[in-house]
Formats: sequence, C-alpha cells, structure tokens
Amino acid sequence: DVKVTQSSRYLVKRTGEKVFLECVQDMDHENMFWYRQDPGLGLRLIYFSYDVKMKEKGDIPEGYSVSREKKERFSLILESASTNQTSMYLCASTLGNSYEQYFGPGTRLTVT
Amino acid sequence: KNQVEQSPQSLIILEGKNCTLQCNYTVSPFSNLRWYKQDTGRGPVSLTIMTFSENTKSNGRYTATLDADTKQSSLHITASQLSDSASYICVVALKTSYDKVIFGPGTSLSVIP
Repeated sequence: DVKVTQSSRYLVKRTGEKVFLECVQDMDHENMFWYRQDPGLGLRLIYFSYDVKMKEKGDIPEGYSVSREKKERFSLILESASTNQTSMYLCASTLGNSYEQYFGPGTRLTVT
Repeated sequence: KNQVEQSPQSLIILEGKNCTLQCNYTVSPFSNLRWYKQDTGRGPVSLTIMTFSENTKSNGRYTATLDADTKQSSLHITASQLSDSASYICVVALKTSYDKVIFGPGTSLSVIP
C-alpha cells in the first residue's frame, strides 16, 4: 500500500512566522504535489515536483516555496505566514505517468 | 476556461437508498476523469479513473459513467451505507506534458439511518 504522510494534522501559527509543512511518500514515486483546499473552491495546486531538486509552479504559488532534496520528501514553506493562508494543505504523489494520485491525510493550518 | 462543476452541492439520503452525483466539465484537451471520496479530515481516495474510450467503470457499489460528447459524468452509489457519508470530488485531467488536473468543488453526501 502506498503511504503518504504529512508531518502534522493540525498546526496553529502566528502571522509573520515561517512555516514548514513536510510530506513523505514510501513508494518511490517520482511526482509529488502540494494543494490547498478551501470550502467551495476545490483543491488548488500550489507547486509540484517531477524529480529531486526540481519544482514547478502550480496555479497559486504566491506566498509559498518548496524544497525537494530527496525523492521521498517534498516540503512546503510559507516564508511569512498570513491569515489568508489558513487552509487545509494536502500532499499527493504519483508514479511516473500513472493517473492515480495518492493523497496524504492533510494538515489543517490556522494562521492567527 | 477549464472548469469542473458538480451537483448537487450537498445531499442527504437514507441508508440503503441509491443516489447519483453529477459532474459537468469544460476541460480541453481531455485526458481522463476521476472520482475521489474524501472522508472528513482526511485526504481524497481514488474510486474510479476513466479515459476517453471508457464510458462506465465500477468499484464495488460505486459506478461511474462518462459521456465525453456531452462532457458529463455521474457517480452512482447503490445501497448506501453510513460509511458512504463523505465528500465526492470529480477531477478532470488535461492532456498536457504534465499531470494538469482540475478539481471540482465536491458534493457532500450524508447517509442517515
């Protein structure tokens, strides 16, 4: 079974703090993704990566950066958290050209 | 504009009853359509994936249909169970050089005893 884990289920941070969200997958998947999910908007792609040290912007990259130093780990970084970044953050991975994305359990981030 | 719409927004049904969820899309070029189930507080889990040439696919009590001409899909749930209470998300992928997908807003289903 593919397992995608995220470092925290719930996180509360203050405005201006630097925030790290980590995602780890254990099935040697090449592709990894970060989404945020907000009510009524569906999932929106922030960043994705197709290889180690490689990253591509998604639809809403502003205010975020990512890091992929190892194949199994994909980190999302909020350089200076703001209240409009309060959301559910979901990580996903896929193998090669496979259509099926495997999602982590999500991190609910609250910025106060 | 590439878009995925779902209806209804929410639905309440009695345990044991059937229901059908709808998905309409305006995505081009089309690659595949997926249905996911998302339990509260968890990540989405894949139910079905259909490519252009497939018009129906089943996964247990879940049956998805695809009409690529009208750009519509449906997810039919048979003999609903309390554990079917979740959000159901329709996702359409574009045929591009990478895995570009468009997520629908989801339908929230509540199954009550």
